[in-house]
Amino acid sequence: QVQLVESGGGVVQPGRSLRLSCAASGFTFSYYAMHWVRQAPGKGLEWVAVISYDGGDKYYADSVKGRFTISRDNSKNTLHVQMNSLRAEDTAVYYCARDGLGSGYYCDFWGQGTLVTVSP
Amino acid sequence: QSALTQPASVSGSPGQSITISCSGASSDVGGYDFVSWYQQHPGKAPKLMIYDVTQRPSGVSNRFSGSKSGNTASLTISGLQAEDEADYYCSSYTSSDTLVFGGGTKLTVL
Repeated sequence: QVQLVESGGGVVQPGRSLRLSCAASGFTFSYYAMHWVRQAPGKGLEWVAVISYDGGDKYYADSVKGRFTISRDNSKNTLHVQMNSLRAEDTAVYYCARDGLGSGYYCDFWGQGTLVTVSP
Repeated sequence: QSALTQPASVSGSPGQSITISCSGASSDVGGYDFVSWYQQHPGKAPKLMIYDVTQRPSGVSNRFSGSKSGNTASLTISGLQAEDEADYYCSSYTSSDTLVFGGGTKLTVL
């Protein structure tokens, strides 16, 4: 069965960096685009970034463009997001999600999320 | 990348039907048949309920259905059940090759 397990969350000071990872199993990882989606405490879902199946295309939300970098290692079935210059408003649960292989984007499987807290 | 507009809350009694709307623009909802809907119970990860406006993933009850007219998409839940009480989010592919979510709707089953 499809499994996505995020890791790397924690408490970090404003302006510092953090790298999240997502270990994928139960499907052919290299066939699928992958997303990061976040959810601030008590708030709604916010899309963060997507990477194509081969890593050749990457797109970002305006709120993280220039600060976050999405990447993948298909040999290790792993998705990453490097988060730099973190701000208080980046505090959220970060989910990795598999894209549904359609012509547009949708997230058909989600991990359980990892919490990132940006605080002095 | 403005968020799609959803009502903050809707409610219904068991057995009734409810509809949640999701309003966007011609650059997202209106321009593509790539609207999806997610259900999220408290403390849980979201679950895909509808994709490509009307399509249900395997295992999702046929009580859930989706539609779209112009720049507004809708999710209808028929035969409301207690376990349907959750937050619901719409999302759409956009002309910028990104994804945008709605603000979410809290469904209360009375």
